Amino acid sequence: DSGVTQTPKHLITATGQRVTLRCSPRSGDLSVYWYQQSLDQGLQFLIQYYNGEERAKGNILERFSAQQFPDLHSELNLSSLELGDSALYFCASSVSPGPGNTIYFGEGSWLTVV
Amino acid sequence: QKEVEQDPGPLSVPEGAIVSLNCTYSNSAFQYFMWYRQYSRKGPELLMYTYSSGNKEDGRFTAQVDKSSKYISLFIRDSQPSDSATYLCAMSATGYSSASKIIFGSGTRLSIRP
Repeated sequence: DSGVTQTPKHLITATGQRVTLRCSPRSGDLSVYWYQQSLDQGLQFLIQYYNGEERAKGNILERFSAQQFPDLHSELNLSSLELGDSALYFCASSVSPGPGNTIYFGEGSWLTVV
Repeated sequence: QKEVEQDPGPLSVPEGAIVSLNCTYSNSAFQYFMWYRQYSRKGPELLMYTYSSGNKEDGRFTAQVDKSSKYISLFIRDSQPSDSATYLCAMSATGYSSASKIIFGSGTRLSIRP
């Protein structure tokens, strides 16, 4: 158990809908990361927050948004869902973004868009 | 062409065999090299990391980097059924916790037969 908690574990929704994925980082970790893993694209970095502030952005679609709250939990919002958004979404956390800090992954949220 | 190439497998070997997992890359700026292990329905976990060229050993695992050939390897000695997982290589030019800059391979699925 990495200590990173993600909910829900599984989610099935229809095209055009909006979903919210939630992440609680490990105790003491200030940095949160979101990744998307699909069969054809592999593990892709989406976005990173550090202590409530956006720190880095990767291949995140404009239909997707995220935030980190004062209690350090984070949410990833996916809207106008398409079939191609079906994937495993991981949250990860580390103490800080600096070198030498291991990134710990949660168990992921399986999203199926039908 | 992807920056990081990894054979997806699956690779099936008998228990006790030596396993060799490999990745090639194209970006000569990569300095940090990592191997993650991902069990089914779990998030990736950092297994080993190395900086620049050379070997690093940790128990039954050895990570090897050949920057001149842009080739990295992970060797598993005395393989066990519990080593059955997907192994992802990852690399970065700026550090192993700079998530926005880490490029992952697509993963090799490994199965160890009892």
